[in-house]
Amino acid sequence: QKEVEQDPGPLSVPEGAIVSLNCTYSNSAFQYFMWYRQYSRKGPELLMYTYSSGNKEDGRFTAQVDKSSKYISLFIRDSQPSDSATYLCAPKAGSYIPTFGRGTSLIVHP
Amino acid sequence: DGGITQSPKYLFRKEGQNVTLSCEQNLNHDAMYWYRQDPGQGLRLIYYSQIVNDFQKGDIAEGYSVSREKKESFPLTVTSAQKNPTAFYLCASSSTPLKLTDFYGYTFGSGTRLTVV
Repeated sequence: QKEVEQDPGPLSVPEGAIVSLNCTYSNSAFQYFMWYRQYSRKGPELLMYTYSSGNKEDGRFTAQVDKSSKYISLFIRDSQPSDSATYLCAPKAGSYIPTFGRGTSLIVHP
Repeated sequence: DGGITQSPKYLFRKEGQNVTLSCEQNLNHDAMYWYRQDPGQGLRLIYYSQIVNDFQKGDIAEGYSVSREKKESFPLTVTSAQKNPTAFYLCASSSTPLKLTDFYGYTFGSGTRLTVV
């Protein structure tokens, strides 16, 4: 079993839809849970992160972590074509190097 | 503007050649990293360096070499020993946490796409 599992998609949704992107992980030591967004042929950029369990909201984006089930989610409200990208989850333990998921490709069509 | 510059954007290598990918940052970050990205496989860590003149192997270091002579620079050499070098290479940097509870995300460059011809 990989340390971080993420469905590669692609996930195709209409503009305005609520998108749910998910990861599962196996390492109980993970404390920080990051989401990176990567546009085609570009480097990833940090979208948001959470510490431990709970929710964190930033505009149309909500990150959610359930440590009891080792489940990480990113919700995008009112999705836009400009949200079309690959989203990578990246949990990490303390100061250690993060473990990246494979990324989920999201396509938002007008 | 601060950031990470990777060059070249596209690189073609003949079989048996060594090539060096450049990575420069002006963010004053202590730590720098090299990742390889293949379709459907996510990011795999090749090498990382947390301080000048020191670096550690990542998960897939075989066939690669690095140096860290300056804080700003972390070049990656893809040697002829790397059997399947065609991939998208990403360089990243971050501050070094002083405490386990400190958080610093990575800043990535725009990548170099290497193709063996």
